[in-house]
Amino acid sequence: SQTIHQWPATLVQPVGSPLSLECTVEGTSNPNLYWYRQAAGRGLQLLFYSVGIGQISSEVPQNLSASRPQDRQFILSSKKLLLSDSGFYLCAWSVDRGGYEQYFGPGTRLTVT
Amino acid sequence: AQKVTQAQTEISVVEKEDVTLDCVYETRDTTYYLFWYKQPPSGELVFLIRRNSFDEQNEISGRYSWNFQKSTSSFNFTITASQVVDSAVYFCALSEEGGNNRLAFGKGNQVVVIP
Repeated sequence: SQTIHQWPATLVQPVGSPLSLECTVEGTSNPNLYWYRQAAGRGLQLLFYSVGIGQISSEVPQNLSASRPQDRQFILSSKKLLLSDSGFYLCAWSVDRGGYEQYFGPGTRLTVT
Repeated sequence: AQKVTQAQTEISVVEKEDVTLDCVYETRDTTYYLFWYKQPPSGELVFLIRRNSFDEQNEISGRYSWNFQKSTSSFNFTITASQVVDSAVYFCALSEEGGNNRLAFGKGNQVVVIP
């Protein structure tokens, strides 16, 4: 069966510090991968998605970036965090065929101080 | 552009009551997919159901049921005989054909079941 992991679970970082959040998927090959942010108030915002190694599409301009160095690894990064980057970050995967659901990881709660 | 509207923000019900969550969507595609997810207090989104635009059959799974009506662009979700464990945020979402399964989410319904 497929599983998706995210770490760390929680993170407190000062403004201006770098960020690296990691997501890995097991039990599937060539998944589509997604990064979402959920700010206080519940709305889910798609940040990046990837359909293959090295292929990243950005949905919202911001000071975050994403990379996919391996088939089942998706990394969210920032060189300098802003207060507005605080939130709950969710990684998800889906099969690489259209019309299918996404499965979400446990999330990382990031607080920028 | 695709859009999903969940008008009710917070709904409180007493345990054992039924609760219906409304979801209205907009899309120009003739082929699209609708989803419901549950987000309990732990934060992880749990997939509940997927429906494609060609399948208007309603579905029941235990205490959960879904009513898909293309004529009104709605995909409503009912929890029958609610329980405290149903307390969560519920999201409706839409993806379009050829969209790499990208989801457009509604803002969610916070359901509070009072014992």
